[in-house]
Amino acid sequence: DTGVSQDPRHKITKRGQNVTFRCDPISEHNRLYWYRQTLGQGPEFLTYFQNEAQLEKSRLLSDRFSAERPKGSFSTLEIQRTEQGDSAMYLCASSQLNTEAFFGQGTRLTVV
Amino acid sequence: TQLLEQSPQFLSIQEGENLTVYCNSSSVFSSLQWYRQEPGEGPVLLVTVVTGGEVKKLKRLTFQFGDARKDSSLHITAAQTGDTGLYLCAGRRYGGSQGNLIFGKGTKLSVKP
Repeated sequence: DTGVSQDPRHKITKRGQNVTFRCDPISEHNRLYWYRQTLGQGPEFLTYFQNEAQLEKSRLLSDRFSAERPKGSFSTLEIQRTEQGDSAMYLCASSQLNTEAFFGQGTRLTVV
Repeated sequence: TQLLEQSPQFLSIQEGENLTVYCNSSSVFSSLQWYRQEPGEGPVLLVTVVTGGEVKKLKRLTFQFGDARKDSSLHITAAQTGDTGLYLCAGRRYGGSQGNLIFGKGTKLSVKP
């Protein structure tokens, strides 16, 4: 297994456009997490899935954000009508229940 | 208010020096994890501590979990330039959402040759 994989690594988009990111977790991990990290800050929790069920969403996850994990394997995070404030590193992690979480390399989003 | 406070926020030292960084909270955690992150990359897991008072050693790195499970420290002996990076602590709280791994803001370490 090659670990958690995120695609794309970098995305530049114009304000108002929609973007979608993909995360492929470690294969035997049933939990998948999305975090956002801005410059100088630690990762901030957005949401997590256990298998295909989305069990928790942060207040940071506005109605322009939606995450899915349809078959309990890979996940997508979509941001609609992007704003400059959405510019950040979007990190995905996976774990087996409450054990240690392993992160992907992240997707760097720049909204211009 | 940050649930996990890390200190110092920035640390610049010479190669060969020792250092300690801290992760403190008023909340009790069932486990704490330490990560190192390099610019433009995701955090890489260094260690997980789960038992109050636990000490774990990883080569030149020593990790300690406080007896009350509210704080942790990371000590690096004879720092090397390759230790440069952002050190993050993260934990799962007792009684809170077990899915929510909470992070501190990190300690940015720079080791100069």
